[in-house]
Amino acid sequence: AQSVTQPDIHITVSEGASLELRCNYSYGATPYLFWYVQSPGQGLQLLLKYFSGDTLVQGIKGFEAEFKRSQSSFNLRKPSVHWSDAAEYFCAVKNAGGTSYGKLTFGQGTILTVHP
Amino acid sequence: DGGITQSPKYLFRKEGQNVTLSCEQNLNHDAMYWYRQDPGQGLRLIYYSQIVNDFQKGDIAEGYSVSREKKESFPLTVTSAQKNPTAFYLCASSIVLQGARGYTFGSGTRLTVV
Repeated sequence: AQSVTQPDIHITVSEGASLELRCNYSYGATPYLFWYVQSPGQGLQLLLKYFSGDTLVQGIKGFEAEFKRSQSSFNLRKPSVHWSDAAEYFCAVKNAGGTSYGKLTFGQGTILTVHP
Repeated sequence: DGGITQSPKYLFRKEGQNVTLSCEQNLNHDAMYWYRQDPGQGLRLIYYSQIVNDFQKGDIAEGYSVSREKKESFPLTVTSAQKNPTAFYLCASSIVLQGARGYTFGSGTRLTVV
């Protein structure tokens, strides 16, 4: 079965510092991979996605993520964090076949705190 | 603007009661989903529907029921059989189940058992 692991439950960075949120997935074939962001008490907003082609994908709000097949990773990065980036971030994988066809499986989430 | 509307935003239920959470979308999406969110556990799939009058159980369907009588609507009923219903519930939709498209999410309903 597919699965997603976000090793860091909580990350704290200073405003202006760089950010990397880790995501590892377990899946037999080439997955569809996503990063979502959630503000407190709100729904999820799609930041970016990977499904084929260039392994470095650009998203909204200045975020990017790199797909590394050899490491089964899809880490999210941002060169300079803004206070408004404080939120919870979810990595997700979509099954392209099998019994879980088409459904998104989410990681546990990483809470980002930004210090001024 | 198109989107997903979940109501109510907050819901309180007494022990032993059934409650229904509403989810309506005007995106003309075929597929709809219900997720449950608990702190530190990410989102877990309750039910999903690919088409009207058809739905499938997700990973944690016990104690929940759904219907899909209209393309736009996918209500979730939390029954008295759900042992621990206090959680944040998110509804989502996508154009179709398959493919590389992500989901569009509603803003959620927070259910509390009192």
